[in-house]
Amino acid sequence: GEDVEQSLFLSVREGDSSVINCTYTDSSSTYLYWYKQEPGAGLQLLTYIFSNMDMKQDQRLTVLLNKKDKHLSLRIADTQTGDSAIYFCAESSRSSASKIIFGSGTRLSIRP
Amino acid sequence: NAGVMQNPRHLVRRRGQEARLRCSPMKGHSHVYWYRQLPEEGLKFMVYLQKENIIDESGMPKERFSAEFPKEGPSILRIQQVVRGDSAAYFCASSLTGTSLYEQYFGPGTRLTVT
Repeated sequence: GEDVEQSLFLSVREGDSSVINCTYTDSSSTYLYWYKQEPGAGLQLLTYIFSNMDMKQDQRLTVLLNKKDKHLSLRIADTQTGDSAIYFCAESSRSSASKIIFGSGTRLSIRP
Repeated sequence: NAGVMQNPRHLVRRRGQEARLRCSPMKGHSHVYWYRQLPEEGLKFMVYLQKENIIDESGMPKERFSAEFPKEGPSILRIQQVVRGDSAAYFCASSLTGTSLYEQYFGPGTRLTVT
């Protein structure tokens, strides 16, 4: 079945760039997402990318998609303390239009 | 425009009791999705509903769990005879249409603890 994997933890220094990586198995994935979850809160959609795109940039966020390797990354430039959260990679496909398949999340911590 | 609302935010139930979780979608949204998040895991899809219809319940456990989205009122996720393994955060999301795959807006979740 479909699977989305990502590393559990990432620690970066304030002001540096953070890069969170994700791999997925479903070759029919149509949309790939990055969600942010702050403690005790719901999920906030940060950005998404269609599978026919290689890159998407939105202010401090850059998403890179390598469809051949089924690899997705999220780069956060100039990481700030407010970026501390769990970041979920997710995917969905037209064949399962209602389902979003989530990874287990990467906990990003910022050190001064 | 209020976001997706869920209540209660925290719910404690003893084993064998029933849990009812409510979700009010964003104004104008007629599509509701329920997800479950076990500790230290990602969200797992449970069920997708439109008004008065269950569209996809492939992620629902076969027993004790049910969901509805009546013509009036919130969507309800009902768990009968809860067990400790049901302890999790339950998130609801809503969307304007079922084809806007990237436009599921999430509520803050209900954290269920079974003692």
